[in-house]
Amino acid sequence: EAQVTQNPRYLITVTGKKLTVTCSQNMNHEYMSWYRQDPGLGLRQIYYSMNVEVTDKGDVPEGYKVSRKEKRNFPLILESPSPNQTSLYFCASSFYYSTDTQYFGPGTRLTVL
Amino acid sequence: TQLLEQSPQFLSIQEGENLTVYCNSSSVFSSLQWYRQEPGEGPVLLVTVVTGGEVKKLKRLTFQFGDARKDSSLHITAAQPGDTGLYLCAGAIGSSNTGKLIFGQGTTLQVKP
Repeated sequence: EAQVTQNPRYLITVTGKKLTVTCSQNMNHEYMSWYRQDPGLGLRQIYYSMNVEVTDKGDVPEGYKVSRKEKRNFPLILESPSPNQTSLYFCASSFYYSTDTQYFGPGTRLTVL
Repeated sequence: TQLLEQSPQFLSIQEGENLTVYCNSSSVFSSLQWYRQEPGEGPVLLVTVVTGGEVKKLKRLTFQFGDARKDSSLHITAAQPGDTGLYLCAGAIGSSNTGKLIFGQGTTLQVKP
């Protein structure tokens, strides 16, 4: 089944404790992206990747890191999480560009205390 | 920061009524997408409009891209409870071969039986 998977689905952590949210897709897509969703703000793009080893900043990259060592995986790293990073995070992938059909993962709900 | 203003933010209507959701910006978009999101899930693409003045229909949903490619609308005819959800517009600025995507704040639609 074609899908985007994210892990974990739920995470409660404390300020400053490094964490990684994994994202994997099995559709051989070139493009992958991370978004955060907060009430009243819609989705905001954090980082995106057009290809392996190619990443670029979205609108809200501060406090986040990403890497794209393999086509299928695009982990989101929070080196020192803070409470303002409490949010619902979505990973998405598409064939080549953001303007292609993006397939979203199920979301990761992160709470930073 | 480019903004995509979506209105209304909340809409509660009775089954059978018609409604329109608007998405406006001062920026020109190379393409604009509409997504629908249900609670606990990621957004799902409904349609992509590319050409100024373009109109696309998806059963009871009609999508229009403004002539200047700065605005879009989603019209639902004879709304049904199954239409309930969060509707999001998203625009790509500049080239269509882009990784960036700007989302509106979303419109929460509730259709009561």
